[in-house]
Amino acid sequence: KNEVEQSPQNLTAQEGEFITINCSYSVGISALHWLQQHPGGGIVSLFMLSSGKKKHGRLIATINIQEKHSSLHITASHPRDSAVYICAVFNTGTASKLTFGTGTRLQVTL
Amino acid sequence: NAGVTQTPKFRVLKTGQSMTLLCAQDMNHEYMYWYRQDPGMGLRLIHYSVGEGTTAKGEVPDGYNVSRLKKQNFLLGLESAAPSQTSVYFCASRGANYGYTFGSGTRLTVV
Repeated sequence: KNEVEQSPQNLTAQEGEFITINCSYSVGISALHWLQQHPGGGIVSLFMLSSGKKKHGRLIATINIQEKHSSLHITASHPRDSAVYICAVFNTGTASKLTFGTGTRLQVTL
Repeated sequence: NAGVTQTPKFRVLKTGQSMTLLCAQDMNHEYMYWYRQDPGMGLRLIHYSVGEGTTAKGEVPDGYNVSRLKKQNFLLGLESAAPSQTSVYFCASRGANYGYTFGSGTRLTVV
């Protein structure tokens, strides 16, 4: 079983819909990142969380340390949000390296 | 702008040729990483460094060497390229507060 599990693997939404991507992990963590990668593009860290909630524009990320769960929400989705979203954690046991989830491929259509 | 710079962005090699990928960061980060990304495989760690003069193996180190002679630079070398090393390579660096920055990637094709 992977240490970091994401769901869903693939997601199709219509423009304007509210989107949630979930991440569950089975290890103790120092921090969690939500990463975004557009097709053929680079990788950007959208959020780094160690507790609570962060918001940036239409994006919201939450983490529940006790439940070992994080969610990424996109409000009023837009076709430019189409990308792969990856949850990644710094395991407290190997704090120098990220452990990646398998990613969620999001397609937002008009 | 502060960040991670990778060179080159694209390269085509013949089997058996050698090359070096350069990663440079200007954020004074201690930790630096080299990943490869293949379709359906996600990001896999090749080598990493926890500070100047140190390197360590990741998940898929075979066929690659690295050096971190200066804190700001992390070099990835392919001594004898193979078609299996066709991939997109990403460099990243990590700050003390777990902030993580990726380079824009190098698309390498070995023919």
